Amino acid sequence: GNSVTQMEGPVTLSEEAFLTINCTYTATGYPSLFWYVQYPGEGLQLLLKATKADDKGSNKGFEATYRKETTSFHLEKGSVQVSDSAVYFCALSPILTGGGNKLTFGTGTQLKVEL
Amino acid sequence: GAVVSQHPSWVICKSGTSVKIECRSLDFQATTMFWYRQFPKQSLMLMATSNEGSKATYEQGVEKDKFLINHASLTLSTLTVTSAHPEDSSFYICSARDRGIHGYTFGSGTRLTVV
Repeated sequence: GNSVTQMEGPVTLSEEAFLTINCTYTATGYPSLFWYVQYPGEGLQLLLKATKADDKGSNKGFEATYRKETTSFHLEKGSVQVSDSAVYFCALSPILTGGGNKLTFGTGTQLKVEL
Repeated sequence: GAVVSQHPSWVICKSGTSVKIECRSLDFQATTMFWYRQFPKQSLMLMATSNEGSKATYEQGVEKDKFLINHASLTLSTLTVTSAHPEDSSFYICSARDRGIHGYTFGSGTRLTVV
């Protein structure tokens, strides 16, 4: 079956540091890949996505590249801010179109950014 | 963009009572709704998937008589926790998909506390 593996947290960084959160996946075919962010007490917000190999998703300074050869979708940001402190979830979906396919989530990685 | 409104955002109820959580898609038709449960500092656990006008499909280990899901229209899905007990206390999140390629839109979550 499908699975997503994320690096364990918490990850603690100083403001303006470089961020990498690793994510690898196991899936048949060509899944779509997502990063979601969850702020305390809130639901999930889509941060970025990629639907095919070599696609790069980007948003708010965050980037992730769909690497089929390494089955990875690592999240990066060049300079984190305190406001980036949240939990980040990597996820995959077997196919983007159609209504019924469910997301498979990683366990989440908590990021804490300090001044 | 697509918005899912989830209510209430938090609720406290007595053991033995029932609680209803609503999720409405505000500007799109949610052909599929997913209901998740999240324990503190853990990932999301999919409870069930519902398609408009049909019965929900529950994940293994989820009691369908305890967690009643209704998806009677393309804009509204409800989760009712029946005869709630303290162990049902959790954060519940819905997620909606439409027929297009817009991905998954999450509600803001409901914090349920059963006392």
